[in-house]
Amino acid sequence: GQNIDQPTEMTATEGAIVQINCTYQTSGFNGLFWYQQHAGEAPTFLSYNVLDGLEEKGRFSSFLSRSKGYSYLLLKELQMKDSASYLCAVRAPRQSNYQLIWGAGTKLIIKP
Amino acid sequence: DGGITQSPKYLFRKEGQNVTLSCEQNLNHDAMYWYRQDPGQGLRLIYYSQIVNDFQKGDIAEGYSVSREKKESFPLTVTSAQKNPTAFYLCASSGVVNEQFFGPGTRLTVL
Repeated sequence: GQNIDQPTEMTATEGAIVQINCTYQTSGFNGLFWYQQHAGEAPTFLSYNVLDGLEEKGRFSSFLSRSKGYSYLLLKELQMKDSASYLCAVRAPRQSNYQLIWGAGTKLIIKP
Repeated sequence: DGGITQSPKYLFRKEGQNVTLSCEQNLNHDAMYWYRQDPGQGLRLIYYSQIVNDFQKGDIAEGYSVSREKKESFPLTVTSAQKNPTAFYLCASSGVVNEQFFGPGTRLTVL
């Protein structure tokens, strides 16, 4: 079966660091995406990992361990505008037409 | 500017009516997707199309229909057979192996 797990909700303080975890069990793997979604809006692309390791992009970093079926999104120097849901998605292999399998998302609340 | 447009932003439907949601992209992407999102849940795939005149059912295709007559357009019809259609509908497109880009979404409410 296909399963992606993320915490439902997290709270953090402005200026701090937060790590959002994602674990997956899927029949095939061809990369992992992180998206940000503000309430009532469409998801926007944040990062993509296909090899093990850390990808850094400004205040956001994403890590992948394929052997553990695990990824995390690290947000530094949190700002109020980072309050949003963060969606983890695994891309299926070519034989499954590269479909994305989505987690339910983690709602991140930033407090002053 | 390149992007994806969806219309309308808000849509109200009476029970028993069919409605069609529009999705247009000028990114020259081959693949297009329709998702449904319910509160507190992830995105669920309704239909997708990898090429013009071809489309495939996703996980929750029952009660929905699509067409792909042009590369730029992928309209979704929500039929009266869909028993619980109130949701946020998102259209996306992508190149073959690239990330998916989303339109602004259509919020459908059944009265």
